[in-house]
Amino acid sequence: QSVLTQPPSVSAAPGQRVTISCSGSSSNIGNKYVSWYQQFPGTAPKLLIYDNNKRPSGVPDRFSGSKSGTSATLDITGLQTGDEADYYCGTWDSSLTAGLFGTGTKVTVL
Amino acid sequence: EVYLLESGGGSVQPGGSLRLSCAASGFTFSSYAMTWVRQAPGKGLEWVSSIGGIGGSTDYAASVKGRFTISRDNSDNTLSLQMTSLRAEDTAIYYCAKDRDLISATSHGLDVWGQGTTVTVSS
Repeated sequence: QSVLTQPPSVSAAPGQRVTISCSGSSSNIGNKYVSWYQQFPGTAPKLLIYDNNKRPSGVPDRFSGSKSGTSATLDITGLQTGDEADYYCGTWDSSLTAGLFGTGTKVTVL
Repeated sequence: EVYLLESGGGSVQPGGSLRLSCAASGFTFSSYAMTWVRQAPGKGLEWVSSIGGIGGSTDYAASVKGRFTISRDNSDNTLSLQMTSLRAEDTAIYYCAKDRDLISATSHGLDVWGQGTTVTVSS
């Protein structure tokens, strides 16, 4: 059972902005880096953001990440229909000595 | 090209065993931790287990501890997951993934993923 909480779904019109939150605690997000993953149906997840706010090569700058205290945020600006996917935050929990993923958020482009 | 290819999935009865493998190529395998992640049908991602690059320190999710064993062969660039005492709730797609660091606990993210292998536990 995940201890990283995300909203089940977010939606916006093309060109607009969506924000996905990821809420944790001091033993995970509070003292560890956060990553974000994008997953399309039937495919493997893809790393979108690492170390809270860094983008791997090839990821558009429309995707950005931030962290404050025990919460992290993924922003998608200039929303496109191709951004419709599930998004997960991820980190490590130093108390559990285990990796964690968020509950996942489905992004819908209206 | 950096590549991970899982194999070994299949159908097994409750209480049975299965061994998953993940063949890696295109990077210095021993320099990175490796992780297994699973996804039950229609559900989210669940971290299962990680193993360090050299020396192979291991960590497990509470849900699989004592039943699953992660291992690696750095000479063969292969990651494995031995699964025993399988339960219906272990039914999932199992992905192997490459960590961006030698140790998973540094939490630098999983930057390469395999396509997944399906495990079904049912009588």
